[in-house]
Amino acid sequence: EAGVTQFPSHSVIEKGQTVTLRCDPISGHDNLYWYRRVMGKEIKFLLHFVKESKQDESGMPNNRFLAERTGGTYSTLKVQPAELEDSGVYFCASSQNSGQGTDTQYFGPGTRLTVL
Amino acid sequence: RKEVEQDPGPFNVPEGATVAFNCTYSNSASQSFFWYRQDCRKEPKLLMSVYSSGNEDGRFTAQLNRASQYISLLIRDSKLSDSATYLCVVAVTGGGNKLTFGTGTQLKVEL
Repeated sequence: EAGVTQFPSHSVIEKGQTVTLRCDPISGHDNLYWYRRVMGKEIKFLLHFVKESKQDESGMPNNRFLAERTGGTYSTLKVQPAELEDSGVYFCASSQNSGQGTDTQYFGPGTRLTVL
Repeated sequence: RKEVEQDPGPFNVPEGATVAFNCTYSNSASQSFFWYRQDCRKEPKLLMSVYSSGNEDGRFTAQLNRASQYISLLIRDSKLSDSATYLCVVAVTGGGNKLTFGTGTQLKVEL
């Protein structure tokens, strides 16, 4: 079974440009999460989808970040316009929705974003 | 104050050694606890969940002390392949299960 995939693996852009990250969760997983690790800091939660609905977006840094999950399958995270402090590794994770406590979250390989 | 505190290390240990990592968490509403392993430039992978009664998986033993809000991981008979960063992770079950991570403890197992 395929795991969580993310595209691109790396992205280098200039300040002010736009970047769109994509995440394909494990098939059948209703829950999809975005996390980010900024250099030297811990991995931090950004937001959570259940199917196509945003369940919790309390971790989104500001309105330059827009996440979508149309159709409840893959998700995109757009940063527009990018700033230097947006550099980091963006992880996507997915889990089932068994309704029995905390389902294991499986992480994708991440997208390493560098803003120059 | 960070929600999950860990000693960043690195812990440099010889092969075969026993090593212990600790972490503390500040949110008393936390109900689920995990240790994740992250290899260099890779994604975090679940190593084991941590239960109140303590649990063991091969050479790995995890303990939870809810009263002290303290989690530990013990690795016995360390292997070179255990070298990685170990992330202490907590979640508030029902709160969307979003994970809160510590910064991780780096382990280097040497010959």
